[in-house]
Amino acid sequence: AQKVTQAQTEISVVEKEDVTLDCVYETRDTTYYLFWYKQPPSGELVFLIRRNSFDEQNEISGRYSWNFQKSTSSFNFTITASQVVDSAVYFCALSGIIQGAQKLVFGQGTRLTINP
Amino acid sequence: DAGVTQSPTHLIKTRGQQVTLRCSPKSGHDTVSWYQQALGQGPQFIFQYYEEEERQRGNFPDRFSGHQFPNYSSELNVNALLLGDSALYLCASSLNQGALLDTQYFGPGTRLTVL
Repeated sequence: AQKVTQAQTEISVVEKEDVTLDCVYETRDTTYYLFWYKQPPSGELVFLIRRNSFDEQNEISGRYSWNFQKSTSSFNFTITASQVVDSAVYFCALSGIIQGAQKLVFGQGTRLTINP
Repeated sequence: DAGVTQSPTHLIKTRGQQVTLRCSPKSGHDTVSWYQQALGQGPQFIFQYYEEEERQRGNFPDRFSGHQFPNYSSELNVNALLLGDSALYLCASSLNQGALLDTQYFGPGTRLTVL
């Protein structure tokens, strides 16, 4: 069975601080994708990044960076110099093919609050 | 390029009623997945439609059913509504690439309240 754990339920920091959101996953698949989505108060899930299970290179996009480590089954997300607009619920998700269909398994989410 | 659209935005129903939610996928996508997100929880997979057929189903009762049309749009139907069906219903679209995985893009959701 696939499972995603986001142990941090809520995080609150002051603007300009760096913050790391943790994600640990479980799967028996050899091929899978990992995702991070952002859910602002409006409710829509916004895609941030996708990582292939065969590619462990870390990625940086502006103030966002992701650290994928298969050895620890983790896919952590860091926001550098946080801003108030980063306040949202962030979800880590795992995807695999099950009987020909692709299914996303989400963690419980981490509510991030950036205070001015 | 239109993204995933869903209608209606909000819906209020009473227990026992039936509801239909609608989704239009992102341009170029042919696969639609539905998720239920209860308050404070992560989205839970309901089912996925491709080529007008249900391909995979999550742990949801038969009261939840769906349909996909030739233009790839989809409907989610819920019969005999229960209070516990109150949630945000999210539609996601993607492109089926056989054994390859694709990114699912989400719509704004339909918030269903059952009284």
